[in-house]
Amino acid sequence: DTGVSQDPRHKITKRGQNVTFRCDPISEHNRLYWYRQTLGQGPEFLTYFQNEAQLEKSRLLSDRFSAERPKGSFSTLEIQRTEQGDSAVYVCASRLTGQGIDEQFFGPGTRLTVL
Amino acid sequence: KQEVTQIPAALSVPEGENLVLNCSFTDSAIYNLQWFRQDPGKGLTSLLLIQSSQREQTSGRLNASLDKSSGRSTLYIAASQPGDSATYLCAVLPDGSSNTGKLIFGQGTTLQVKP
Repeated sequence: DTGVSQDPRHKITKRGQNVTFRCDPISEHNRLYWYRQTLGQGPEFLTYFQNEAQLEKSRLLSDRFSAERPKGSFSTLEIQRTEQGDSAVYVCASRLTGQGIDEQFFGPGTRLTVL
Repeated sequence: KQEVTQIPAALSVPEGENLVLNCSFTDSAIYNLQWFRQDPGKGLTSLLLIQSSQREQTSGRLNASLDKSSGRSTLYIAASQPGDSATYLCAVLPDGSSNTGKLIFGQGTTLQVKP
């Protein structure tokens, strides 16, 4: 499968714990996006990377959230001191720029449940 | 601030019906608009992408139209089938975000096609 993959697919944690999610984009895609989707809503933008550089962060991304893309390939999203309000599906997408293609390709998401 | 709205939130139709899903956006300065399909537990699948200069796009039984001046898009599904049951999301890429790729999603319409 050469699509966007995310791991884990599901994560249940207790309030106050730290969690980390991984996203593997489509090979050679230089842009990587993180979105958050809550029940009954569409995805909301969190942050994005151009290669290894994090270029923009949404105000939704509090200081408890940190994202990295150290080698410009896979990315991790860490949430520290999780709160019940963090429960959502965290969705990753990737895109190849400079080819005249505007389409983002989405992963299946990681469903986080904070108890 | 761009806002995207989809009405209705849910729709149930008998198999074989033609149907229209609606998407409205508040700011007509968009670069493109996309329709996605989301199946439970799965990632978003892009169905159709309409550039701002286009009026419509077609793929099989699907036809998407765009009226920028009125801030509306419709997704027409012909001869609906039970396999079309899913959540349909529209997303706009604002002109100001054409480089970043930050999509703004609607809440989605959950479609059920009954056999």
